[in-house]
Amino acid sequence: NAGVTQTPKFRILKIGQSMTLQCTQDMNHNYMYWYRQDPGMGLKLIYYSVGAGITDKGEVPNGYNVSRSTTEDFPLRLELAAPSQTSVYFCASSYSPAGWGTDTQYFGPGTRLTVL
Amino acid sequence: EDKVVQSPLSLVVHEGDTVTLNCSYEVTNFRSLLWYKQEKKAPTFLFMLTSSGIEKKSGRLSSILDKKELFSILNITATQTGDSAIYLCAVNPGAQKLVFGQGTRLTINP
Repeated sequence: NAGVTQTPKFRILKIGQSMTLQCTQDMNHNYMYWYRQDPGMGLKLIYYSVGAGITDKGEVPNGYNVSRSTTEDFPLRLELAAPSQTSVYFCASSYSPAGWGTDTQYFGPGTRLTVL
Repeated sequence: EDKVVQSPLSLVVHEGDTVTLNCSYEVTNFRSLLWYKQEKKAPTFLFMLTSSGIEKKSGRLSSILDKKELFSILNITATQTGDSAIYLCAVNPGAQKLVFGQGTRLTINP
C-alpha cells in the first residue's frame, strides 16, 4: 500500500493563479481531510469528506473548493491564489471518523505552497 | 467554539531530561484526545485517550487524560535528540473531525 499520496510536493504560484492539489489514498478509507499548517502553528481543517459525493467545510474553507467523485481521490482547488494561502497542505484519511474507536488519521507527506 | 491550547509553545532541554507537554481543551462534546509527533514531514500518531486517569505508555513516552479538568499531558523521559519534533494535540469534539492545538516545538540538545 502506498498509503496517502499528495502531488505536487512543492509549488510556487503568482497572485491570482489557480491550481489543484491532488490527494489519493489506497486504503479504501471513507473519511478524507484537507489541512493547512502555517509556520509555527498547528493544523487547521479546510474541508473534509465522509464518502464519495459528500463534502463539508472545516474551520478555514474560504478560497478553496473540493470534490470527491471517488473513494480514492480528494482534490483541493485553490481559486485566485493569495499570499495568505502560503502554507503547507496536508491530506489525511481514515476508515472511521478521526478520533472514534481505535482508528486514527493517516497523513500524506504534504505540499508546500508559496504564493508570491 | 471548540478550542485546544497547548503549552509551552516551545521548549529546549538537554538530552536525558524529562519533559512534560500540556494540552487543555474546551469542546462541545468530548469524544477523544490524540497526540501526534511531527518531525520534518507529516504527523505520526502517538496516542489516543478516551478515559480519564488511564495512562497510555509506549517506551519512554506516556500520556494521561483528566476529563474533569479538561487537559492531558504527554511525558517523555530520558529524552534523546531524536525526540526533537513538534508535538500536536487534537481533540474530537463529538464530530467527524479533529480540532488541533498550535503544537509544542521540542528541541533536545546533546
